[in-house]
Amino acid sequence: GQQLNQSPQSMFIQEGEDVSMNCTSSSIFNTWLWYKQDPGEGPVLLIALYKAGELTSNGRLTAQFGITRKDSFLNISASIPSDVGIYFCAGQVNNAGNMLTFGGGTRLMVKP
Amino acid sequence: DAEITQSPRHKITETGRQVTLACHQTWNHNNMFWYRQDLGHGLRLIHYSYGVHDTNKGEVSDGYSVSRSNTEDLPLTLESAASSQTSVYFCASSKLAGGPKTNNEQFFGPGTRLTVL
Repeated sequence: GQQLNQSPQSMFIQEGEDVSMNCTSSSIFNTWLWYKQDPGEGPVLLIALYKAGELTSNGRLTAQFGITRKDSFLNISASIPSDVGIYFCAGQVNNAGNMLTFGGGTRLMVKP
Repeated sequence: DAEITQSPRHKITETGRQVTLACHQTWNHNNMFWYRQDLGHGLRLIHYSYGVHDTNKGEVSDGYSVSRSNTEDLPLTLESAASSQTSVYFCASSKLAGGPKTNNEQFFGPGTRLTVL
C-alpha cells in the first residue's frame, strides 16, 4: 500500500527556534493534511493543502504542498512550549473516498 | 457546538471478552472511521463507513466489527479481545466522499485507551 515517510521522528529544540518537518511519498497525493496531537488527546487538524505548490499559513505555522505532489512540509516559527506534541502528515488521493494515509509522526519537544 | 465524542475514555478488559467502544458525532457527517494508534505504527485504519448501513474493512480489520444504524454513531466491537488489541482507538468523521476537497477533512475524537489483560 501507500507509504508516507515523515521526518524527523523527533526533535528537541529551544524555545524561540524555528522547526521544519516533512513528509515524502512514492505516490502522488491530491490533498495533504497536517495534524497535531497533544498528549492524551486526538489529532487536531492544523492545515489543509489542496493544490500542488500551495503555501498556506495558520498563525506561526506554514505548510507547503510539494510541486511533485509527492511531498509536503510544515514549518513552525518561533516555537513556544505549547507547540509540544506529535505532528502528523496525512495524504489523500481522489479515488480513495475520504481515506487518509498517515505518516509516522514527528514528536516535538520544546525546552523553555 | 457540534462535536465527536468517544466512550469510555479508558477501558480495561480480559482476554476473550467482547468489548464495544462508542463513537458519536453531531456534525451530521456521512463518513466515519476507526483507527488504532500504536507506537511505531502511527494511525492504522480498522473500519470505515460512508453512510447508514455501509461498512468497509480497513488495513487492520481482523478481530473487529462495526455497524452503522444511524448517521451519528459507529460503534466498534472487539468480538473476543486479545492482548494484541491493547491500543489507543480513535474515531474520526468527515463530511462525505466527493464534492469540494474540504469534504475530505477528517476530525478526530479524543480517543479510548483499551488495555486487554
